[in-house]
Amino acid sequence: NAGVTQTPKFQVLKTGQSMTLQCAQDMNHNSMYWYRQDPGMGLRLIYYSASEGTTDKGEVPNGYNVSRLNKREFSLRLESAAPSQTSVYFCASSVDRGSNQPQHFGDGTRLSIL
Amino acid sequence: AQSVAQPEDQVNVAEGNPLTVKCTYSVSGNPYLFWYVQYPNRGLQFLLKYITGDNLVKGSYGFEAEFNKSQTSFHLKKPSALVSDSALYFCAVRDDPYNNDMRFGAGTRLTVKP
Repeated sequence: NAGVTQTPKFQVLKTGQSMTLQCAQDMNHNSMYWYRQDPGMGLRLIYYSASEGTTDKGEVPNGYNVSRLNKREFSLRLESAAPSQTSVYFCASSVDRGSNQPQHFGDGTRLSIL
Repeated sequence: AQSVAQPEDQVNVAEGNPLTVKCTYSVSGNPYLFWYVQYPNRGLQFLLKYITGDNLVKGSYGFEAEFNKSQTSFHLKKPSALVSDSALYFCAVRDDPYNNDMRFGAGTRLTVKP
C-alpha cells in the first residue's frame, strides 16, 4: 500500500543547477499538489493539478515548474536552483480539490541548495 | 481569504495527562477543518476532520477535536497523552465554497515527557 511516493528523498544542489522532483500516487486520485515546508511557516502551496491535463499556480510558484505526466504522476522542476529554495518538498494527492476528503502526503524530499 | 492560526509553537505535557493543541481559523463560508500529525522525516498523516454535524469529532490514535463556531476554534485533544504522541501537529482549513485551497497553520510541536 504505497500511497504517495516521492523521489529522491535527499538532494544537494549547487546554485544554478536544475533538477526534477518526482511524485507518484496509486490511489486513483484526481488532484495532486506540491508544497514546501519551512520552519515556522507550515506548508505553502507551490503548484497544484486539479485533474489530469491541468496545472495551476499556488501561493509560491516563482522559480518552479510542474508537469502532470498522467493521472498518477506529478513532477516539480527547479530550472535554476537558488539558496532560497532550500526546503523540504512534499507532494500530496486527494480525491478532488474541492471535496471534503483529506490530502495524502508523501514522505518528502529534503533539498539543500549551496 | 481563509487563514488558520496555531498560537503555541510548543506544548509540553506529562505522560498520562490530558493534552490540548489549539487552532483558530477565519473563513468566509463554511470551514472544512483538518488535523494532521508529522513524525520526524515523514510526511503529514491525517488524524481527523470536521465537515458538518457533531461538534466533537473523533479520530485516529485516541485523538478528538472540538469545533466551536462562535470562537472559530478547532482544538485537538486527547484525554491521556503518550510519549509516542510527541510530534509536530498541523491544523488546516478550507473555505467552502469560496476557496478550494487548503491553508495550513505553522504547526505546534508536542512533547510528552515520561
